[in-house]
Amino acid sequence: DAKTTQPPSMDCAEGRAANLPCNHSTISGNEYVYWYRQIHSQGPQYIIHGLKNNETNEMASLIITEDRKSSTLILPHATLRDTAVYYCIVAAYSGGGADGLTFGKGTHLIIQP
Amino acid sequence: DVKVTQSSRYLVKRTGEKVFLECVQDMDHENMFWYRQDPGLGLRLIYFSYDVKMKEKGDIPEGYSVSREKKERFSLILESASTNQTSMYLCASSFQGAEGYTFGSGTRLTVV
Repeated sequence: DAKTTQPPSMDCAEGRAANLPCNHSTISGNEYVYWYRQIHSQGPQYIIHGLKNNETNEMASLIITEDRKSSTLILPHATLRDTAVYYCIVAAYSGGGADGLTFGKGTHLIIQP
Repeated sequence: DVKVTQSSRYLVKRTGEKVFLECVQDMDHENMFWYRQDPGLGLRLIYFSYDVKMKEKGDIPEGYSVSREKKERFSLILESASTNQTSMYLCASSFQGAEGYTFGSGTRLTVV
């Protein structure tokens, strides 16, 4: 799997949009960008994924650059409950997710009241 | 909702003991995984299984073994626990694609 680079920590004010960047300059053509988050004392939770088009769901939006070398996860109206470590992961869609995901160190997002 | 249940939230064991960490999922997922998480090192894959009685080594399998006798249950075994195996252990299962991972809440193991 390609490696990703994320800032170790970020702050965001409650109610504002949180924009979390991720660099994945060695991503392959068949690899997707996945985002998970881990709230303190819990296991990681899936947020969103994409290949090359921008994606949106009820939790977040994912913006992938045209060259696919970087992406941004957007939490549109951050709340205190969004304080967590956010992981950007690049992986091929294996059809079964059978090989295990490689988690980096992620970004610790702290939402300030 | 898919649930992945880990049998213990906290566990304290002595050096040299044989330790079993149990994980059960209730959604008929084919794939199951064991990770450990340590400060500054993130999550690291220990073992995974894509079918009953099948197992594959992850990135750090040394000192561990696994058992998958039934589809819903995946056990991690520390044959002889050591203090460097003190860690948070996370179990996960998946159905399809890397977006389908569901994690348990973790077992914090302390080996003394």
